[in-house]
Amino acid sequence: GAGVSQSPSNKVTEKGKDVELRCDPISGHTALYWYRQSLGQGLEFLIYFQGNSAPDKSGLPSDRFSAERTGGSVSTLTIQRTQQEDSAVYLCASSPQGADTDTQYFGPGTRLTVL
Amino acid sequence: GQSLEQPSEVTAVEGAIVQINCTYQTSGFYGLSWYQQHDGGAPTFLSYNGLDGLEETGRFSSFLSRSDSYGYLLLQELQMKDSASYFCAVPRGQNFVFGPGTRLSVLP
Repeated sequence: GAGVSQSPSNKVTEKGKDVELRCDPISGHTALYWYRQSLGQGLEFLIYFQGNSAPDKSGLPSDRFSAERTGGSVSTLTIQRTQQEDSAVYLCASSPQGADTDTQYFGPGTRLTVL
Repeated sequence: GQSLEQPSEVTAVEGAIVQINCTYQTSGFYGLSWYQQHDGGAPTFLSYNGLDGLEETGRFSSFLSRSDSYGYLLLQELQMKDSASYFCAVPRGQNFVFGPGTRLSVLP
């Protein structure tokens, strides 16, 4: 079956512009995660969705960042008024139920460059 | 909160055995996972330890000692394709905290 897909694969934008990043999780997976990875660094948790529960937004770095998950499937991460420090690879992952023992399946990521 | 420590880099030769350590400080513990990430690629799951001891999956094994807050990933019969970054991760509530990653370079 299809894995996690993300679009666009690359996004170059100017400082101050808004961007939207899309994630299509594996069908049937109830848990969806967004992470940010700067060059050569580890994964920084951003936000977590589980079914119809309120999302865990504890990792969002500022109020310029927001995310939605419509219909329990597709998710969109929005960054408003982008800054150069937002440049990173944004990774989306899904897991069957969000359990501690579940494997997270990662998408290929969106490489965001803010000029 | 949670914090994890890993060596930043490890170098080994083809055919050798290498151990990548992960130490953690957590408020509560539910298991330790390992992920592999090749340059430009997405992280992929390698193993999970929920209990103390050794879990073996082919050439890769993972070990956990909860009393020592310590785990490691053991890679045997190293191949060039094993050159990648390796991350340990622990659950934090309903999400996960990842370590900073260890970059493994396998030399011919």
